[in-house]
Amino acid sequence: LAKTTQPISMDSYEGQEVNITCSHNNIATNDYITWYQQFPSQGPRFIIQGYKTKVTNEVASLFIPADRKSSTLSLPRVSLSDTAVYYCLVVLTGANNLFFGTGTRLTVIP
Amino acid sequence: EAGVAQSPRYKIIEKRQSVAFWCNPISGHATLYWYQQILGQGPKLLIQFQNNGVVDDSQLPKDRFSAERLKGVDSTLKIQPAKLEDSAVYLCASSFPGQGKHLYGYTFGSGTRLTVV
Repeated sequence: LAKTTQPISMDSYEGQEVNITCSHNNIATNDYITWYQQFPSQGPRFIIQGYKTKVTNEVASLFIPADRKSSTLSLPRVSLSDTAVYYCLVVLTGANNLFFGTGTRLTVIP
Repeated sequence: EAGVAQSPRYKIIEKRQSVAFWCNPISGHATLYWYQQILGQGPKLLIQFQNNGVVDDSQLPKDRFSAERLKGVDSTLKIQPAKLEDSAVYLCASSFPGQGKHLYGYTFGSGTRLTVV
């Protein structure tokens, strides 16, 4: 399993763009990079997944460099409701298990 | 589409007592998971079912934890006897089998918060 490392916490003001970087130096060829979001008193929720380059959806963008040893989750113009824990996971193709680290606790400040 | 249902939402018990949690997955999801999330940590997989069979229970403390999914739909997780360190949120999740890289269907419930005193 590729281990992931991400900052424990981050603070941001409302309206700013937030970038959370995750390192996964031992990522394997068949691994995908997946990000989950967890609000207090709720289970984690899928945000975005990618293999390489850039992926964008209505919630976030995911940037993955060519060596795939890191990835950056970008949240545009955050609001107070984006305050949550964000988990970076490396998921093996065909696997059904998710292995979570401690995540990054993002606090959005008014 | 209804989500993953869990009950109860909260439970407080004394150590050495027993407790059970219930999960109803999304309709049609053959794979069901139980996770334990200790405060300040990420969720940790306890057990995975495929229909009514166990796929992975390597992280389940089998001396005190048990889980079943008799008809391949609902599942129950039991702890007997409970210890103080079992205080955590117990999350249930479900997914389609073999989704591989497309884990969009992997859905968590809101969990049961257990406090052992």
